[in-house]
Amino acid sequence: AQSVAQPEDQVNVAEGNPLTVKCTYSVSGNPYLFWYVQYPNRGLQFLLKYITGDNLVKGSYGFEAEFNKSQTSFHLKKPSALVSDSGLYFCAGSGSARQLTFGSGTQLTVLP
Amino acid sequence: EAEVAQSPRYKITEKSQAVAFWCDPISGHATLYWYRQILGQGPELLVQFQDESVVDDSQLPKDRFSAERLKGVDSTLKIQPAELGDSAMYLCASSPGEGAGEADTQYFGPGTRLTVL
Repeated sequence: AQSVAQPEDQVNVAEGNPLTVKCTYSVSGNPYLFWYVQYPNRGLQFLLKYITGDNLVKGSYGFEAEFNKSQTSFHLKKPSALVSDSGLYFCAGSGSARQLTFGSGTQLTVLP
Repeated sequence: EAEVAQSPRYKITEKSQAVAFWCDPISGHATLYWYRQILGQGPELLVQFQDESVVDDSQLPKDRFSAERLKGVDSTLKIQPAELGDSAMYLCASSPGEGAGEADTQYFGPGTRLTVL
């Protein structure tokens, strides 16, 4: 069975500082990995994905994520956080690109 | 930019009543998903359609939930009768489908927030 873990329920960071939201995965075969963000009472907004190729994936709004096969991790990063980045971030993974398993979410708060 | 549409956005009902949610995927998307998201948790897949056919409904509580996508475009998810534990956000997502190049990316609608009293 595949699983995705987000070890931090809450991440706080000051505006302008770098941010990292952590994700580890366990899937069979080659993993398909995604990051989404959810704002209050809204659906999930796609940020970026890893399918194959370069381990550093660049996505929307200045976000990037690093795929690390040996550590089975896919951490989300941004060099300089904005207050508007505050939201609920979900990592999702699959071995088939269709049957996504989501993590439990990490609430990111960027403090002005 | 094309979006997934869902209605209603909010629904309050009493237990034992029937409720229905509607989803209109991005035009041309062959694959449609219904998820349930309980507060504080990640979405969990209920049912997946490829065109009008069900691909996976293994997590759908079939004694009370049903889903259809009759013409392979929009879809309806129904709960009858609703129970207190059904209170959650119901999310619809769509993806282009096989051979489309971006077949692996799911795009989500705004969701329907269901409250069962």
